[in-house]
Amino acid sequence: SQTIHQWPATLVQPVGSPLSLECTVEGTSNPNLYWYRQAAGRGLQLLFYSVGIGQISSEVPQNLSASRPQDRQFILSSKKLLLSDSGFYLCAWSRVRLGVNSPLHFGNGTRLTVT
Amino acid sequence: AQTVTQSQPEMSVQEAETVTLSCTYDTSESDYYLFWYKQPPSRQMILVIRQEAYKQQNATENRFSVNFQKAAKSFSLKISDSQLGDAAMYFCAYRSATSGSRLTFGEGTQLTVNP
Repeated sequence: SQTIHQWPATLVQPVGSPLSLECTVEGTSNPNLYWYRQAAGRGLQLLFYSVGIGQISSEVPQNLSASRPQDRQFILSSKKLLLSDSGFYLCAWSRVRLGVNSPLHFGNGTRLTVT
Repeated sequence: AQTVTQSQPEMSVQEAETVTLSCTYDTSESDYYLFWYKQPPSRQMILVIRQEAYKQQNATENRFSVNFQKAAKSFSLKISDSQLGDAAMYFCAYRSATSGSRLTFGEGTQLTVNP
């Protein structure tokens, strides 16, 4: 069966510090990978998605970047965090084939607080 | 671009009763998928139910069922025999079947189940 791991679960970082959140998927190959952000009590905003190694699409221009160095690894980064980067970050994966009703499967999330 | 609207920020229901959560969406596509996700206090995103737009039959999963009205672009979720464990934030989501793999979420409905 497929599993998705996301870490760390919580993170407190000062403004201006770097960020690295990591997500890995097991039990499947060539998945689509996603980073979402959720502000408190709100819906999910898509930040990045990837359909393959080195292929990253950015949905929202911002202080963050994403990379996919391996097939099942997705990393969310920032060189200098802003207060507005605080939130709950969710990684997700789905099967690749368009036309197939494949839902997104989410990790447990990372609660990031920028102080 | 597709948009998803959940007009009920909060709903409440008595235990064992039935509740319906509303969702509407805007799209020019004819082939797409719709989902309901549940986010309990743990903040993990859990898939509740999914519907293919080409299917006229409404999806059901145990106590959960949908009322899919394609012409009206409406996709409501009905929870029967509500249980305390159903208390959560519920998100409606849209995914194109032909043009991209990302999921667009509504803002969510916070469901409270009263004993």
